[in-house]
Amino acid sequence: DTAVSQTPKYLVTQMGNDKSIKCEQNLGHDTMYWYKQDSKKFLKIMFSYNNKELIINETVPNRFSPKSPDKAHLNLHINSLELGDSAVYFCASSLGLAGNEQFFGPGTRLTVL
Amino acid sequence: SQQGEEDPQALSIQEGENATMNCSYKTSINNLQWYRQNSGRGLVHLILIRSNEREKHSGRLRVTLDTSKKSSSLLITASRAADTASYFCARSNTGKLIFGQGTTLQVKP
Repeated sequence: DTAVSQTPKYLVTQMGNDKSIKCEQNLGHDTMYWYKQDSKKFLKIMFSYNNKELIINETVPNRFSPKSPDKAHLNLHINSLELGDSAVYFCASSLGLAGNEQFFGPGTRLTVL
Repeated sequence: SQQGEEDPQALSIQEGENATMNCSYKTSINNLQWYRQNSGRGLVHLILIRSNEREKHSGRLRVTLDTSKKSSSLLITASRAADTASYFCARSNTGKLIFGQGTTLQVKP
């Protein structure tokens, strides 16, 4: 059973396109996150949602719009993709707000050409 | 910078040896966590140590925390080739986790 799943695993697209990444967790957690990991493996939080409400928005460009239809899902939509958006995006979930153990998805490698 | 600093950035050892990774941070914490990332995979939680704890064990892992020095260490004893991965410390404060840049560990068989 996959605890935190993301789709797609790989995403290759042209500059200027709009794309979405989906995330689902079946752990019954109430908090979900999006992280970006760059080519140097630096991992930075982008957003977190608790019970479908936005809790953390780390000065991410407004081209990135997270959407949480329910507690088990947190999707990430990116408009007008830029070369610098190329990275691996990880979804994670936890019980309660950050401070508890987080469970990570397998990641989505986004390549913008 | 808010990020923790991890030391060393890369470590290569022989199977059976111990591996020690260090993590320093600048601000107060609620807890500090260590994660492992295998190549091309997501992060896996290893251990969480609270700010009022000094040492914690889990199997071959030993984590220490010195809040006066704002530092933590992860010791992996009797390393195995399967321990080859990147290891990240993450400090918990103000409702989010802030990750260090990681230590890449290679364990040679």
